[in-house]
Amino acid sequence: NAGVTQTPKFRVLKTGQSMTLLCAQDMNHEYMYWYRQDPGMGLRLIHYSVGEGTTAKGEVPDGYNVSRLKKQNFLLGLESAAPSQTSVYFCASSQGGANTGELFFGEGSRLTVL
Amino acid sequence: AQTVTQSQPEMSVQEAETVTLSCTYDTSESDYYLFWYKQPPSRQMILVIRQEAYKQQNATENRFSVNFQKAAKSFSLKISDSQLGDAAMYFCAYRSAYAGGTSYGKLTFGQGTILTVHP
Repeated sequence: NAGVTQTPKFRVLKTGQSMTLLCAQDMNHEYMYWYRQDPGMGLRLIHYSVGEGTTAKGEVPDGYNVSRLKKQNFLLGLESAAPSQTSVYFCASSQGGANTGELFFGEGSRLTVL
Repeated sequence: AQTVTQSQPEMSVQEAETVTLSCTYDTSESDYYLFWYKQPPSRQMILVIRQEAYKQQNATENRFSVNFQKAAKSFSLKISDSQLGDAAMYFCAYRSAYAGGTSYGKLTFGQGTILTVHP
């Protein structure tokens, strides 16, 4: 049972570089989310998707883009990385609609922007 | 918009003792879910316990139980017989029961409480 898988787990970038984080889930979930975790601030929602081909902004979307071309994958892109984007990023998924409300999380990806 | 507040940045407990972590939330909705997640140093987010707002009975999972006070919008976590493996960051989280609208099942998290367990 893979569940939710994030790649890469760690990455160091220089300011201005671009990168993509990949999230893959094998539970046939409709909803997928990208969160960032920063000390003292909990997890904050960046973007989310309620189905293949759809995306929407969360609380802190600036500087990020996302795509959901396939139901099982949700990509988070940084076009021009900034030190303020140094964080731990979590992907999560859920069934959507009327359900038990549980989100399933990946193991996180630590990104450092120098 | 909903907000979740954890006012205890750090807590500590002796092994085998009991500790309570506090959480308050603000919402205008009547139907929702509340969660406690545990995050050990491995970073993995582990669901500890879940409470449905329409249920008056407090949820329990082995050594973990909650005190859910809907009117006061309070949702505390009690850990009994604390073990060294309980040491972690604990997050309280809110999720609307309404699938659509502006919520789409997203979780709103508190700031987290670091729990230290002393042997």
